Amino acid sequence: NAGVMQNPRHLVRRRGQEARLRCSPMKGHSHVYWYRQLPEEGLKFMVYLQKENIIDESGMPKERFSAEFPKEGPSILRIQQVVRGDSAAYFCASSLAGEEQFFGPGTRLTVL
Amino acid sequence: GEDVEQSLFLSVREGDSSVINCTYTDSSSTYLYWYKQEPGAGLQLLTYIFSNMDMKQDQRLTVLLNKKDKHLSLRIADTQTGDSAIYFCADPPSNTGKLIFGQGTTLQVKP
Repeated sequence: NAGVMQNPRHLVRRRGQEARLRCSPMKGHSHVYWYRQLPEEGLKFMVYLQKENIIDESGMPKERFSAEFPKEGPSILRIQQVVRGDSAAYFCASSLAGEEQFFGPGTRLTVL
Repeated sequence: GEDVEQSLFLSVREGDSSVINCTYTDSSSTYLYWYKQEPGAGLQLLTYIFSNMDMKQDQRLTVLLNKKDKHLSLRIADTQTGDSAIYFCADPPSNTGKLIFGQGTTLQVKP
């Protein structure tokens, strides 16, 4: 049973470009969470999704950031018009029924 | 509000015990978690404790929970160089789904 998969592992973008981060949850998991880790800091919750629904987006910046978890396919975290402050590691986690969360290896975004 | 605090750094010698401390503010959680993060990697769930327990032992790991003081600790016995990592405690406020993480404690193990 494969764990949580994220791709790409490393992503470099220039200011103003779009970044798309993908997360495939563990098999059978329908709950997905996105967290952001800034350098030298802990993880901060961004958004919690179930299939086709956003449950809690209280940690998402109001502009430029969006997330989806379609019926088929991976969850996508999309950052439009990236700025240098978006450089961070973005982690996805999944759970079976809102309990123990299993984390992916993360996507490290660098904005030049 | 929801907050989790940890000390930032701990250095021990190989073979010693390590104790990593954490305080939290939201006491509605059913579980409290400890995660380990090695350099450049994701988070690995180390252990957890049910909120109605005071202590949980799992091989070299001992978790102590003081609900009155909202204090959680992780003790690693016979610390090895492979234990060098960042350790995060995490508090999931009930019915919210999200985890609130501390800043992480960097454990350095000297040979």
